[in-house]
Amino acid sequence: DGGITQSPKYLFRKEGQNVTLSCEQNLNHDAMYWYRQDPGQGLRLIYYSQIVNDFQKGDIAEGYSVSREKKESFPLTVTSAQKNPTAFYLCASTALEGVNGYTFGSGTRLTVV
Amino acid sequence: GQNIDQPTEMTATEGAIVQINCTYQTSGFNGLFWYQQHAGEAPTFLSYNVLDGLEEKGRFSSFLSRSKGYSYLLLKELQMKDSASYLCAGPAEGASGGSYIPTFGRGTSLIVHP
Repeated sequence: DGGITQSPKYLFRKEGQNVTLSCEQNLNHDAMYWYRQDPGQGLRLIYYSQIVNDFQKGDIAEGYSVSREKKESFPLTVTSAQKNPTAFYLCASTALEGVNGYTFGSGTRLTVV
Repeated sequence: GQNIDQPTEMTATEGAIVQINCTYQTSGFNGLFWYQQHAGEAPTFLSYNVLDGLEEKGRFSSFLSRSKGYSYLLLKELQMKDSASYLCAGPAEGASGGSYIPTFGRGTSLIVHP
């Protein structure tokens, strides 16, 4: 079955560490997105990519980095520059043709310890 | 830019009907989505409206009025499993590649009680 897979489900980071969240999809979707969700808030866009080797900043890109070396993969690195990284991170993908709803991954809950 | 507004929380009784409203302001329009999200899980797609009117899909219906910048999600015959957050995702400025990226509201937490 096609889908989008995020790993790990739970991640703990020490102060000053970089951590990378994985996102893989086998839906042949061109576009992939990273969102951050905090309690009581909606989804906020971190980065998105519509084509391999290209990506754009979203609304809250500071302290994060991404790469898109393959169509299937869009990893997110939370760097030490992100001062408040504890949140629920969601990866999503969609086809570019037409207007389509997102397919979301199951999320990664990142906690700073 | 745009704002997506929806109520923070609603409660309803099992078997009842509930309407969750969403208003938006935008300079462009490319459709409005509704998603359901259970606690700790990913959002799942419920509906998409691009034309005015009501779209019915089983127990769930979604309505759109473009002239009023208004949408609602209607849930009938409520079940306990409908307790979740409901996210309205509205039209957004187009991305550089021609697609568009919706802006999400903060979500409405629906609590269904017996």
